[in-house]
Amino acid sequence: NAGVTQTPKFRVLKTGQSMTLLCAQDMNHEYMYWYRQDPGMGLRLIHYSVGEGTTAKGEVPDGYNVSRLKKQNFLLGLESAAPSQTSVYFCASSYSFTGSSNQPQHFGDGTRLSIL
Amino acid sequence: DQQVKQNSPSLSVQEGRISILNCDYTNSMFDYFLWYKKYPAEGPTFLISISSIKDKNEDGRFTVFLNKSAKHLSLHIVPSQPGDSAVYFCAASAIQGAQKLVFGQGTRLTINP
Repeated sequence: NAGVTQTPKFRVLKTGQSMTLLCAQDMNHEYMYWYRQDPGMGLRLIHYSVGEGTTAKGEVPDGYNVSRLKKQNFLLGLESAAPSQTSVYFCASSYSFTGSSNQPQHFGDGTRLSIL
Repeated sequence: DQQVKQNSPSLSVQEGRISILNCDYTNSMFDYFLWYKKYPAEGPTFLISISSIKDKNEDGRFTVFLNKSAKHLSLHIVPSQPGDSAVYFCAASAIQGAQKLVFGQGTRLTINP
């Protein structure tokens, strides 16, 4: 009963390095999301996907890229890491919206990323 | 432009008493509101939600109230228990918005024995 799994859990990068954060969900959810959480800011949406092969920008997309090649996976990439990207990153997934019924998002436990 | 605001960064309540967490929003297009609870080193977990067609939703010890005219919602926890100590996030979404959630800054609730 894994739900949403994020890897890695911790990572330290040097400025300019690249890396990919992996999110996997086993609930057959259509929608997936990447957020970042910073002190005093709540969670802010970076990118999201409404289905396999689709991606869209959220509130703070600059400096990040995403891919959704498989329904169960949503990858978040940092091409050239900057200290401002030091944050805790959360992935979430949910069923697609139908009619007036909304479904809560299910979150992973986060990836703590430090950029030096 | 903070569309969802939780103006109290922290709240301390005695065990057994009522905890009231508040949230204000500015976007009148929001029509679905959720509360999430977050423990340290874990992801947020869904707690309770309310649609804009209602003004109250109850689930056990948790009740959410929505005042659309004031663009305000609140979460009541009664009675409060030590396990309720966590950070609580208010979130809002619009039907047209692919379920994109806009989160408040969070309120850290501490329940004292």
